[in-house]
Amino acid sequence: AQTVTQSQPEMSVQEAETVTLSCTYDTSESDYYLFWYKQPPSRQMILVIRQEAYKQQNATENRFSVNFQKAAKSFSLKISDSQLGDAAMYFCAFISGGSEKLVFGKGTKLTVNP
Amino acid sequence: NAGVTQTPKFQVLKTGQSMTLQCAQDMNHNSMYWYRQDPGMGLRLIYYSASEGTTDKGEVPNGYNVSRLNKREFSLRLESAAPSQTSVYFCASSKPGTHQASNQPQHFGDGTRLSIL
Repeated sequence: AQTVTQSQPEMSVQEAETVTLSCTYDTSESDYYLFWYKQPPSRQMILVIRQEAYKQQNATENRFSVNFQKAAKSFSLKISDSQLGDAAMYFCAFISGGSEKLVFGKGTKLTVNP
Repeated sequence: NAGVTQTPKFQVLKTGQSMTLQCAQDMNHNSMYWYRQDPGMGLRLIYYSASEGTTDKGEVPNGYNVSRLNKREFSLRLESAAPSQTSVYFCASSKPGTHQASNQPQHFGDGTRLSIL
């Protein structure tokens, strides 16, 4: 069974600085997809970024980028120029190709200090 | 655009009572899902439906039943609620359930906070 590990229960960053959230996963599959979701205090689950395992290029979405290391099974999220609105729980998630089952990590709570 | 709509948003039950959580999506998605979120546990899949007329168990199905009423609606039923089912429940949907459905992001509702006394 696939597992997703987020080793940092909590992180903090100063406004305008950069922070990196860690995620590792365990799978024997070669075809899979990875996601980062954001959950602000409003409780909504918002997709931040996704990565296809077959793509070597790291995904980027504005201030959000990932460092995808397939051999190391690592998928970290970098937030640049952090803003107060980035404060939230961040969840890393994994799904095998052709599967319907999305597996989530336990989350990292990000605090942004003004 | 409503997206994924869950009702109710909050509910308090007594042990042994039954309850149905409703979910509807207006994005013409084939796949729908129910998750529960507990403190420190992330989201765990309860049941999913890859298409109208089909349902399958997820990671934590015990104590729950589901019904895919039509393409838009996917309900979750607790027949005899237990305190261990106190949680926040999320419904989600994603694009057509083809082989490549896995690369499509899931869209989530706002959740239902359920407390069982």
